[in-house]
Amino acid sequence: GEDVEQSLFLSVREGDSSVINCTYTDSSSTYLYWYKQEPGAGLQLLTYIFSNMDMKQDQRLTVLLNKKDKHLSLRIADTQTGDSAIYFCAESRLTGGGNKLTFGTGTQLKVEL
Amino acid sequence: EAGVTQFPSHSVIEKGQTVTLRCDPISGHDNLYWYRRVMGKEIKFLLHFVKESKQDESGMPNNRFLAERTGGTYSTLKVQPAELEDSGVYFCASSQDSARGLYEQYFGPGTRLTVT
Repeated sequence: GEDVEQSLFLSVREGDSSVINCTYTDSSSTYLYWYKQEPGAGLQLLTYIFSNMDMKQDQRLTVLLNKKDKHLSLRIADTQTGDSAIYFCAESRLTGGGNKLTFGTGTQLKVEL
Repeated sequence: EAGVTQFPSHSVIEKGQTVTLRCDPISGHDNLYWYRRVMGKEIKFLLHFVKESKQDESGMPNNRFLAERTGGTYSTLKVQPAELEDSGVYFCASSQDSARGLYEQYFGPGTRLTVT
């Protein structure tokens, strides 16, 4: 079955690192994604990782994937107030030339001064 | 390059009325997806088009929802008749041909549908 879980809230101080966690159940997932949604805006693709990778780094973002435990995390270094948003993880399965995404409920990140 | 656009941004209708949502994908993207987020819940997949063909419509909730993509460009999602539980944010996304190894899926800003 397909189920993706995230904690609902995370609060950090500006300048600290944020770690947002996600667990998924579909072992056949091909790609795992992190999307960001700012207030009143759509979903912005932040980064994604192929299922045969353990880690991917992109500037302040580090994605770690533990395929054995089906655990995905997003680390944001030097968190800024502009990082305040809802972060969604999603797993994908290839289907007919495309990829169908299954999302978690989203984690609300609040960055405090 | 223009992103995925959706119209309208917000629609308020009464129960029993009809609403049509429109999505314009990124030019050249064969794959077009519809998702929706009902208040406080996950973003759920509705259906997937490859060009003008429905590839997967397993997420469509019932036959009150009709999606089309004539000509393989923009898509419409019609809800007729609308019910209270249809309220939520409807997102459209597009991606290029995955056979070329391009898996990024880009989302539009969403249409917020409120059924009263």
